[in-house]
Amino acid sequence: EPEVTQTPSHQVTQMGQEVILRCVPISNHLYFYWYRQILGQKVEFLVSFYNNEISEKSEIFDDQFSVERPDGSNFTLKIRSTKLEDSAMYFCASKEQGIQETQYFGPGTRLLVL
Amino acid sequence: SQKIEQNSEALNIQEGKTATLTCNYTNYSPAYLQWYRQDPGRGPVFLLLIRENEKEKRKERLKVTFDTTLKQSLFHITASQPADSATYLCALGDNAGKSTFGDGTTLTVKP
Repeated sequence: EPEVTQTPSHQVTQMGQEVILRCVPISNHLYFYWYRQILGQKVEFLVSFYNNEISEKSEIFDDQFSVERPDGSNFTLKIRSTKLEDSAMYFCASKEQGIQETQYFGPGTRLLVL
Repeated sequence: SQKIEQNSEALNIQEGKTATLTCNYTNYSPAYLQWYRQDPGRGPVFLLLIRENEKEKRKERLKVTFDTTLKQSLFHITASQPADSATYLCALGDNAGKSTFGDGTTLTVKP
């Protein structure tokens, strides 16, 4: 069964460094998302992406964050200058065409900022 | 402001019984609602989706109801098993396709 994959599974970085989290969505999906989950808290929406542009972003998704779909398969989240509070699990999700279809989540990247 | 509440953080039941989890929401008109399972350190795994014009959905031992008047969804697991122990997340979907999650309910099924 097709699934969303994410790399790396774990990332440790120093505060102020840039990180790029990578995702390969399910191949025929057209909508892409990033969510994050701080330890012990709820899953929070960051950004949605469709037709090569951001369709919606949350307050969390400030100028430090950016997303890109550099080729036909990858979908990346870049954090330009990481802060301690960026430490969280970051989940990529994708869905097929159609608003009322479910999102399928990847296994996540655990980011730790020291 | 929008609020999604899932009943008690933790629910403990005996194997074989039916687990019922609740998701209530306020100041929100979802187009659809999803239930996910999440195990520690893992991503949410999709279980069921129910649309605003649907009342009930079933899949094997799972059943979801959706009452847009009460602003509530109930998630039932019948004949529960220890392997059903996990955190269950309610997620409301809007017409832009974005999902807003509740805090989750941690279910423990005791043998």
